[in-house]
Amino acid sequence: NAGVTQTPKFQVLKTGQSMTLQCAQDMNHEYMSWYRQDPGMGLRLIHYSVGAGITDQGEVPNGYNVSRSTTEDFPLRLLSAAPSQTSVYFCASSLTGVGNTIYFGEGSWLTVV
Amino acid sequence: TQLLEQSPQFLSIQEGENLTVYCNSSSVFSSLQWYRQEPGEGPVLLVTVVTGGEVKKLKRLTFQFGDARKDSSLHITAAQPGDTGLYLCAGDSSGYALNFGKGTSLLVTP
Repeated sequence: NAGVTQTPKFQVLKTGQSMTLQCAQDMNHEYMSWYRQDPGMGLRLIHYSVGAGITDQGEVPNGYNVSRSTTEDFPLRLLSAAPSQTSVYFCASSLTGVGNTIYFGEGSWLTVV
Repeated sequence: TQLLEQSPQFLSIQEGENLTVYCNSSSVFSSLQWYRQEPGEGPVLLVTVVTGGEVKKLKRLTFQFGDARKDSSLHITAAQPGDTGLYLCAGDSSGYALNFGKGTSLLVTP
């Protein structure tokens, strides 16, 4: 089983560039989310989705956009990258919400210079 | 944001020792989850505790949820080098968002 797949694994961006982090799951999960992990800060929720066509903001949504056109995919877009967005990004999914087992992807390491 | 404080932040012990990691909050959670994360990988769920006072065991790991559902502990008996990793607690208050602690980094040396 592929589980939760994130691409790319590593990316270096220049300030002001845009990019999309891809996330796909093959478990037919309704709930998907994006977290960022910074040293000394733990994981913080950026955006989440409870189903196709439905998204909502988490704790740190500024600078990020998401969409959920299909159940399988939940891309995270950085419209104008800033050095403060240098982080490790994790996509996660579960059947219906955080009360179910959450499966995390392997992470995407993003550096903004 | 409902804060979860984990302690200690770092722990270095020798194989065979016992240890306890704490996760405390002033907020009540409907459930609390413990994860282990290894370098270069995403967190992996170890256990979910739901009922106040609940105790769950996973081999040498014992998890307890406080009676008031505000705190939790993870106890490891006879630690092994394979237990090395970052241990994260996360509280669920809304059903759709987890609040994570900053983690306890554990190193077990042979």
